[in-house]
Amino acid sequence: DGGITQSPKYLFRKEGQNVTLSCEQNLNHDAMYWYRQDPGQGLRLIYYSQIVNDFQKGDIAEGYSVSREKKESFPLTVTSAQKNPTAFYLCASSMQDGAKKLFFGSGTQLSVL
Amino acid sequence: QKEVEQDPGPLSVPEGAIVSLNCTYSNSAFQYFMWYRQYSRKGPELLMYTYSSGNKEDGRFTAQVDKSSKYISLFIRDSQPSDSATYLCAMTVGGTSYGKLTFGQGTILTVHP
Repeated sequence: DGGITQSPKYLFRKEGQNVTLSCEQNLNHDAMYWYRQDPGQGLRLIYYSQIVNDFQKGDIAEGYSVSREKKESFPLTVTSAQKNPTAFYLCASSMQDGAKKLFFGSGTQLSVL
Repeated sequence: QKEVEQDPGPLSVPEGAIVSLNCTYSNSAFQYFMWYRQYSRKGPELLMYTYSSGNKEDGRFTAQVDKSSKYISLFIRDSQPSDSATYLCAMTVGGTSYGKLTFGQGTILTVHP
């Protein structure tokens, strides 16, 4: 089945620790995105990548980093600089045609210990 | 003021009711409008996609866009308990903005049997 796989489903971060969220897609989509979802605030864009080895900051990139070494993979690292990391993180992908149709993974819930 | 405003609800209706979900926005450059449905702790899935002003119907769902009023709506006819979810409106200017969607806060809908 084609789709987007996020792992882990739940993740806990200790103070001062960096953690990495995985996102893999087999839809052959060029573009990939990371959104953060907080209660009552909808989804906010963290980073996006339109092509391998290229990515841009979204609206709330501070404290996060990404890489795009392969078309299928777009991991997100939540660094210790992100002071309020507790949220539901969603990875998405789309075709490279100015597409407005995003396909989302099932999300990762990150909590601080 | 947020670019996209959506009443968070919660909204509770009996089975068979007509449901109206709404969003207002401030950015007149938005041209593409979407409605996503999100079940609890899952990724959003695309329900409806509309370009510019007008109506679009898909089964029990109708999306309306009024660009002059900067107002979009989603109507659900003959609502079912399986429609219980959070509904997110989203929009983008299009062109090279790709998946840079701006989301509303989401409306929580419960349909009672």
